[in-house]
Amino acid sequence: DIQMTQSPSSLSASVGDRVTIICRTSQTINNYLNWYQQKPGKAPKLLIYAASSLQSGVPSRFSGSGSGTDFTLTINSLQPEDFATFYCQQTYSTPWTFGQGTRVDIK
Amino acid sequence: EVLLVETGGGLIQPGGSLRLSCAASGFSVSNYYMSWVRQGPGKGLEWVSVSYSADITSNADSVKGRFSISRDNSKNTVFLQMNSLRADDTAVYYCARGAITGSDAFDVWGQGTMVTVSS
Repeated sequence: DIQMTQSPSSLSASVGDRVTIICRTSQTINNYLNWYQQKPGKAPKLLIYAASSLQSGVPSRFSGSGSGTDFTLTINSLQPEDFATFYCQQTYSTPWTFGQGTRVDIK
Repeated sequence: EVLLVETGGGLIQPGGSLRLSCAASGFSVSNYYMSWVRQGPGKGLEWVSVSYSADITSNADSVKGRFSISRDNSKNTVFLQMNSLRADDTAVYYCARGAITGSDAFDVWGQGTMVTVSS
């Protein structure tokens, strides 16, 4: 199974900050890396697919980068509605696995 | 509008069985991979099962031999048959659609249905 290591597990930030979340995989996954945002009591929402492609309707302040085993989600100018938990996921091979999540809350 | 609606959750005793349904609207499930993902109380996301087609499926090791995914394209519905349920199967179960483009990401999710396994 492909192991996902996401960091940090939580962070505190202010509105307007730039936030970076890292996801590392235990083997190369050819950019089959996706990012989701989840708010309490709600289903996850797809933000980024294939490492760097922005899902339709997602604000451009969200961006993804990386390749091989190291990937990054960046949120430029954090907005009040962005406070949530973020998960990375690999869909390179089953079992498809998620990172443990990064909770972003208000400083 | 593209929508997934899960039903069938509830309270079940250990060792029992439950069948979850995921009704799709706004698209045809026959054209997509369909998955189930679960989230235990206060925990992260765990992929459970995928239906690539009516005949091709894959399951996580944690549910292999106990859970079975299926689909009825005529009813535009996906199912998760859960047998031999255990306390650690307690979770919100989400149905999700695999996107056609890109990396098979899950681009549409249902609202989830809660399954509680307890005596």
